[in-house]
Formats: sequence, C-alpha cells, structure tokens
Amino acid sequence: SQTIHQWPATLVQPVGSPLSLECTVEGTSNPNLYWYRQAAGRGLQLLFYSVGIGQISSEVPQNLSASRPQDRQFILSSKKLLLSDSGFYLCAWSVGGQGSGGYTFGSGTRLTVV
Amino acid sequence: AQSVTQPDIHITVSEGASLELRCNYSYGATPYLFWYVQSPGQGLQLLLKYFSGDTLVQGIKGFEAEFKRSQSSFNLRKPSVHWSDAAEYFCAVLTLNNNDMRFGAGTRLTVKP
Repeated sequence: SQTIHQWPATLVQPVGSPLSLECTVEGTSNPNLYWYRQAAGRGLQLLFYSVGIGQISSEVPQNLSASRPQDRQFILSSKKLLLSDSGFYLCAWSVGGQGSGGYTFGSGTRLTVV
Repeated sequence: AQSVTQPDIHITVSEGASLELRCNYSYGATPYLFWYVQSPGQGLQLLLKYFSGDTLVQGIKGFEAEFKRSQSSFNLRKPSVHWSDAAEYFCAVLTLNNNDMRFGAGTRLTVKP
C-alpha cells in the first residue's frame, strides 16, 4: 500500500536560518507531489507541485523553494527563514497524471520561526 | 478562477445531533469535489469525493455529501454526531488540470457532550 512520510514533525528555527523539510512516498511510481502551507486559523495554500523529477511549479512567490531529486522525494527549502514562514506544512501526493482520486496527505510539519 | 467557500468558521453541535457543513464552489465546468477532515496537529484525511453520477455520495465515518449543481453546493452531512467527530473540515475543488486542489478556509466542529 502507498504511504507518505514527512519529517520532522515539529521544528523551531531562528529567523535567518535555513530550512529543509523532506517528504517521501512509498508504494507508487511517478506520483504528483505537493507542498501546502496552513497558517493558523486559515485554510491550505498550495506552495509547489511537481509532476516529475526536476519539474517544479511554484504557485506563490516567496523565499521558499522546492526540489524533487528522486521520483518519490520532495523537499521544501529556504536559505533564510522569515517570521512569516511559521505554519503547518503538509506534503501530499496523487496518482500521476490525475488528481481525481484525491490527494493523500502526510502528517505535517509544524514550523515555528522565532 | 475556481474557488471554494465555507461560510461557517465554527459550528457547535450536541453529541447525537445531526450535522450539516456548508460548502459552495465556483467553477466553470463540472467539478471534482472533496471533503477532508483534519484532527489537531494532523494531516488531512479524505472523507468522500464527487466526480459525476449519483449526486449523493457516501463516505467514511458515516458522512455523506450532496452535490447540487443549481446551488453550486456540496454540503457535508451526518445524521448523528459523535464526540470523536470534533475536528476541522475542509471542502476542496480540483481544477481542470488536476494539479491544483483549492481548499476552503475550513469549518471547525465542536461537539458538546
């Protein structure tokens, strides 16, 4: 069966420090991969999505970036964190080529920038 | 552009009472619609989805939703709420290119004993 792993679960980082959040999917090939951010009391905002290795689409201009070095690995990064980067980050995947089956989400990373 | 509106930010119901969470969407074509549930500090779990066909769809945990094209709505219902249903609920619409699922702002459900 397919599983999605996200880590770390929680992270406290100082302003200006770098960030690396990792997401991996097991049990499927060529998935579509997504990074969402959920700010406190707000809905989900799509940050990046990827339909294949090295293919990244950005939805919102910001100081975050994403990379997909392997088929089932999706990484969210920042060179210098801002206070406004605090939030709950969720990775998700869907069947490659279609999302009509719905997205499957990881358990999320709670990032607090101090 | 496609969008989803959940008019109720917070709803409180008594355990055993019926529940209806509202969702309205804006989309030019027949949408793919979803309801997700999120427990505190957790990811999102898919409750149910609608593509086409029967407008009343059944999901997990005793939930159902009805697609009404004339009202651009996809409301979530449950006949009898359990305390474990307390969570945040998100309605979502999948865009035509299948690579952008748009979520509503969510409705937080509190269940009174």
